[in-house]
Amino acid sequence: GAVVSQHPSWVICKSGTSVKIECRSLDFQATTMFWYRQFPKQSLMLMATSNEGSKATYEQGVEKDKFLINHASLTLSTLTVTSAHPEDSSFYICSARAPDAREPQHFGDGTRLSIL
Amino acid sequence: AQSVTQPDIHITVSEGASLELRCNYSYGATPYLFWYVQSPGQGLQLLLKYFSGDTLVQGIKGFEAEFKRSQSSFNLRKPSVHWSDAAEYFCAVVSEFGNEKLTFGTGTRLTIIP
Repeated sequence: GAVVSQHPSWVICKSGTSVKIECRSLDFQATTMFWYRQFPKQSLMLMATSNEGSKATYEQGVEKDKFLINHASLTLSTLTVTSAHPEDSSFYICSARAPDAREPQHFGDGTRLSIL
Repeated sequence: AQSVTQPDIHITVSEGASLELRCNYSYGATPYLFWYVQSPGQGLQLLLKYFSGDTLVQGIKGFEAEFKRSQSSFNLRKPSVHWSDAAEYFCAVVSEFGNEKLTFGTGTRLTIIP
């Protein structure tokens, strides 16, 4: 089945640093990738939709300058949390889908981000 | 706006017993519906999907779901649960076509007791 790889799976860093998370579709071309944030014991909150070769579309309330998204190829999207602070600590999950409108989203294993 | 409701926050089932997780949706047209499962600290795995056709959908790991338009429901079932089924289950509906954004329910946590 379709595989989405997300890296790193866990990162701890100091407040003020920037962290980059990668999301790769391993066996299909992903025209659209999504980035979610998940708080403990809650559902997924969509942060942004990323289409290859164009600017990401951010959900209301998500700071585009804080969460930089790049989708430079059909198999790779990156999320950079800039100048991270403790309140940015969370579980971030990406997903990818192929061009067929009936294809489901396939999810990565998530990245646990802890800002000290 | 599209929405998904999972009325049960937490369900406890004995191993070997049957399971039904409820999902209700609000959507004007024929929905695209999904069930995903999430183990602790992991991403989401697709269990099954419904787009059209047969309203009883078979998925992986012995799960099935039935689409009932009259009840706006897409309940997930399994005849006999295993301890490894303990996880968080999310129902989702495509809420925006074109980029196929998903709207998720709040999830149901499943606990299995021996």
